[in-house]
Amino acid sequence: EAGVVQSPRYKIIEKKQPVAFWCNPISGHNTLYWYLQNLGQGPELLIRYENEEAVDDSQLPKDRFSAERLKGVDSTLKIQPAELGDSAVYLCASSLDLSGLAAEEGVWYNEQFFGPGTRLTVL
Amino acid sequence: AQSVAQPEDQVNVAEGNPLTVKCTYSVSGNPYLFWYVQYPNRGLQFLLKYITGDNLVKGSYGFEAEFNKSQTSFHLKKPSALVSDSALYFCAVRDPVSGGYNKLIFGAGTRLAVHP
Repeated sequence: EAGVVQSPRYKIIEKKQPVAFWCNPISGHNTLYWYLQNLGQGPELLIRYENEEAVDDSQLPKDRFSAERLKGVDSTLKIQPAELGDSAVYLCASSLDLSGLAAEEGVWYNEQFFGPGTRLTVL
Repeated sequence: AQSVAQPEDQVNVAEGNPLTVKCTYSVSGNPYLFWYVQYPNRGLQFLLKYITGDNLVKGSYGFEAEFNKSQTSFHLKKPSALVSDSALYFCAVRDPVSGGYNKLIFGAGTRLAVHP
């Protein structure tokens, strides 16, 4: 089974330029996450989708960042315009949300599968 | 607010020796705890989780972790380290008493270096 696919793996751009990242989650996974990982830090959630709905985008800087998951499968994260401080690794993850069924059984799973990330360098 | 602390930036251990990577947490309610590993140029890989049950959780690659509620800790352990275990390790927590919000809070990570 293929894992989470992200492209490109590396991107170098000049500041003020736009950039887009693409993610294809594991087949059948209804929940998709975008994380930001700064150097020397753990991932921080930017946005979470359940199917095509963005259910949490509270950490997404909406003045320059946008995301979409139109058909509830793959997703695109965009930055326009990019700033020097946006240099980081952007991780995509997916999970199969069993919360409804799992909650009835008293067990709750949240295993997230991560892609390799896109390393963005803004010059 | 939920948080995770990994007090060591780096852990050095000789191959064959036991290793421990520390993690403490702060959450309201019962914690759901996770360990992930990140190899260079690769995404995070799930190692193990604690949700309920036995405090000693066994995971992938021979790793295990012990949940200690009184000390609010979830240290990662392995009886005999391998050079190939060298990587970046992240502890994460999700508070189930959050309206079903599946958000992971990650620690800053601990770099494990296993020397031959």
